[in-house]
Amino acid sequence: QVQLQESGPGLVKPSETLSLTCTVSGYSISSGYYWGWIRQPPGKGLEWIGIIHHDGSTYYNPSLKSRVTISVDTSKNQFSLKLSSVTAADTAVYYCARVPHLVVRGVIIADYFDYWGQGTLVTVSS
Amino acid sequence: QSALTQPPSASGSPGQSVTISCTGTSSDVGGYNYVSWYQQHPGKAPKLMIYEVSKRPSGVPDRFSGSKSGNTASLTVSGLQAEDEADYYCHSYAGSNNFVVFGGGTKLTVL
Repeated sequence: QVQLQESGPGLVKPSETLSLTCTVSGYSISSGYYWGWIRQPPGKGLEWIGIIHHDGSTYYNPSLKSRVTISVDTSKNQFSLKLSSVTAADTAVYYCARVPHLVVRGVIIADYFDYWGQGTLVTVSS
Repeated sequence: QSALTQPPSASGSPGQSVTISCTGTSSDVGGYNYVSWYQQHPGKAPKLMIYEVSKRPSGVPDRFSGSKSGNTASLTVSGLQAEDEADYYCHSYAGSNNFVVFGGGTKLTVL
């Protein structure tokens, strides 16, 4: 059974960098799939942040791209999110998820999100 | 990157059917058959209910079905049950520039 678990500080100060890690169990990240981050501000909808493959290739939400870095550590079966220069608008529950994908005429297509972590609330406040 | 448009709310009585729409553009919903739907109960993570427009993952009741016409995808829940009361989100692949887009969510109430 594939399981994902987010971890990291629950409180980050404005202008600092938010850092979260997703630990995957029941499946080896190196075996395939993309792995992604999605967030949900309190009372609002889902927002895609970005995805990463075990080979390090990434795709980011254009609206967050300048502040986001997603990395992978296959030796620990983990992938991580860094979001810089945070403001109160970045307060949200952050989810990690597995992303089945296809390659169509050389283009990567993120198909859907099949396994999700339970989510972790990150509050940006001084 | 604009979110897909969903009605804020939908409702139905137990046993009835309800359909939730998800409207995008030819650059996302209308251009690809990579639409998925997620159910989210309060305080819980989203759960995949439908993928690739109309496919159901193992374990999802066949009361849940998906379809697409033009730029609008739909999720139909038949034989409504109390446990179907939740928020529902659609998602679509949005091309090589925007890549992924979600709908704003629909709160389904079972009356």
